[in-house]
Amino acid sequence: EAEVAQSPRYKITEKSQAVAFWCDPISGHATLYWYRQILGQGPELLVQFQDESVVDDSQLPKDRFSAERLKGVDSTLKIQPAELGDSAMYLCASSPRENTEAFFGQGTRLTVV
Amino acid sequence: RKEVEQDPGPFNVPEGATVAFNCTYSNSASQSFFWYRQDCRKEPKLLMSVYSSGNEDGRFTAQLNRASQYISLLIRDSKLSDSATYLCVVRASGNTPLVFGKGTRLSVIA
Repeated sequence: EAEVAQSPRYKITEKSQAVAFWCDPISGHATLYWYRQILGQGPELLVQFQDESVVDDSQLPKDRFSAERLKGVDSTLKIQPAELGDSAMYLCASSPRENTEAFFGQGTRLTVV
Repeated sequence: RKEVEQDPGPFNVPEGATVAFNCTYSNSASQSFFWYRQDCRKEPKLLMSVYSSGNEDGRFTAQLNRASQYISLLIRDSKLSDSATYLCVVRASGNTPLVFGKGTRLSVIA
């Protein structure tokens, strides 16, 4: 069964350092999402890509977060500098087409110390 | 008002019980509706899509009430393995992102 791949699974970083997460969606899925989930909350969208274009990044804290999907396949989410409040699960998901469900990767659990 | 609202629970029910969760959404133009299940410290996984006519998958039944803007999930004959957080998810239209509720936590007790 095809899966969304994410790495690393866990990341501990000191505040003010840079950190990057990688996601490879299910093959053929044009839509890719990055969500952030704080413990006890539902996932919240950070950015959505359609192929290599950003569709929605209205909730992305652009002063410190950046995301790219250069060839419309895999994607990288970066945080620089990391802050204590960034500690969360970062989830990548992909969808095959409009109005369909999204499939999630296992996530990257980030702890900022 | 949050876009998708759920009772956070927890719902503690005995094995074999029937339990129902409700969820309300604020955007009347919403077109797609889902229930996801999330185990502790794992990723959300699709449980079922919710169709206007309602749909059933084994012990799980989902209903949509567009007029009242709410979605329900009914679990019959609860199993210990049903213990998880159930996330209500709504998509406004086309290729807009999925919007998640905070989730409802269910614990099924032996």
